[in-house]
Amino acid sequence: QVQLVQSGAEVRKPGSSVKVSCKASGGSFTNYAFTWVRQAPGHGLEWVGRIIPIFGIVNYAEKLQGRVMITADKSTSTAYMDMSSLTFEDTAMYYCGRESEPGGNSPIGYWGQGTLVTVSS
Amino acid sequence: QMTQSPSSLSASVGDRVSISCRASQTIGNYLSWYQQKPGKAPKLLISSASSLQSGVPSRFSGSGSGTDFTLTISSLQPEDFATYYCHQTYSTPFGFGQGTQLEIK
Repeated sequence: QVQLVQSGAEVRKPGSSVKVSCKASGGSFTNYAFTWVRQAPGHGLEWVGRIIPIFGIVNYAEKLQGRVMITADKSTSTAYMDMSSLTFEDTAMYYCGRESEPGGNSPIGYWGQGTLVTVSS
Repeated sequence: QMTQSPSSLSASVGDRVSISCRASQTIGNYLSWYQQKPGKAPKLLISSASSLQSGVPSRFSGSGSGTDFTLTISSLQPEDFATYYCHQTYSTPFGFGQGTQLEIK
């Protein structure tokens, strides 16, 4: 079965960067889109961006464009989310997810356990 | 842009409830629904507007196409009290609705 395991919690200072990983197992990696979603404390889900490894396609939320980079390492079946110039508003649980069917327009059928990123001075 | 309503809803076990989701432009049937419980990752309930995922109870159903969609729970059970989100995957950026918190009356 598909399993997504994310890296551990991070604490960063404002203005710094953070990189979160998401290792996939139990299924194909390159044919599926991997998505990053974040959730600030007490708030709803916010789509951050996604990557389709087989096509090298990457899309980002407009408000985060320029500060976030999503990459994928096909050799290790790992997706990454790198966010720079962190502010307090970036404090959130960050989830990675894999789409339920290949193609790029399927919903997120599998989720990682989440990585808490805290921005604190 | 996905607009979900209501933002919160109080209901009793056995009630029938509906949650609406409206897209700012047509998205075909590229609409899914998730359930999220506190401290947990979301769980996919319905894809393609009306396709129930394997293992999801049949009291959950989805309908709609184009811009207007509905999630219905026919007879609420205690384990259904959670927050529900709609999500479009028609065109990027793939937005979520603001969420509907379903609470016990």
